[in-house]
Amino acid sequence: DAGVIQSPRHEVTEMGQEVTLRCKPISGHNSLFWYRQTMMRGLELLIYFNNNVPIDDSGMPEDRFSAKMPNASFSTLKIQPSEPRDSAVYFCASKSTGSTGELFFGEGSRLTVL
Amino acid sequence: SQQGEEDPQALSIQEGENATMNCSYKTSINNLQWYRQNSGRGLVHLILIRSNEREKHSGRLRVTLDTSKKSSSLLITASRAADTASYFCATDARGATNKLIFGTGTLLAVQP
Repeated sequence: DAGVIQSPRHEVTEMGQEVTLRCKPISGHNSLFWYRQTMMRGLELLIYFNNNVPIDDSGMPEDRFSAKMPNASFSTLKIQPSEPRDSAVYFCASKSTGSTGELFFGEGSRLTVL
Repeated sequence: SQQGEEDPQALSIQEGENATMNCSYKTSINNLQWYRQNSGRGLVHLILIRSNEREKHSGRLRVTLDTSKKSSSLLITASRAADTASYFCATDARGATNKLIFGTGTLLAVQP
């Protein structure tokens, strides 16, 4: 299996621009998670889905952030408009709901907002 | 707020020595996991210990869990330069088993 695939790996954009991060979970995994990692705040859970349905989005920082999972093999995290404080590494992770709890992470998308 | 906090924040040792990292958490849990992150990479799962377990081994890794103190430790024996990475504990609160919250991490540097 190819593992969790994220794109782009690196994104540099200007303040005010829309940013879309993409994730393909491991086939057969029905839970998907978006995390954000910064030096100041560490790893923060933004939102997670079970069977394509958003279950908990309490970690989404504000309305500028939105996430969708239109099908079992694809999810997006969108920031519109982006701000410099959104600069971070965004990780997608997936797991099988029936598993003991181990998360499989992608390699992350490093976002820099100028 | 984050569930777990690791101690120490950074640790530097010589190859062959043992490395011990500690994790404290705040609420009752179902299980506790440890992950490793190499610089610029995603996190990789190392080991999981259930709330009714006190100790678990996997290769050179030894994890302990003390639910009365809400703490866990990760011991890496006979460390190697390749063990250089950040190590995170993660917990899922009772009643929210899918919501995995990560600690602040310990940066381990193993000098050859």
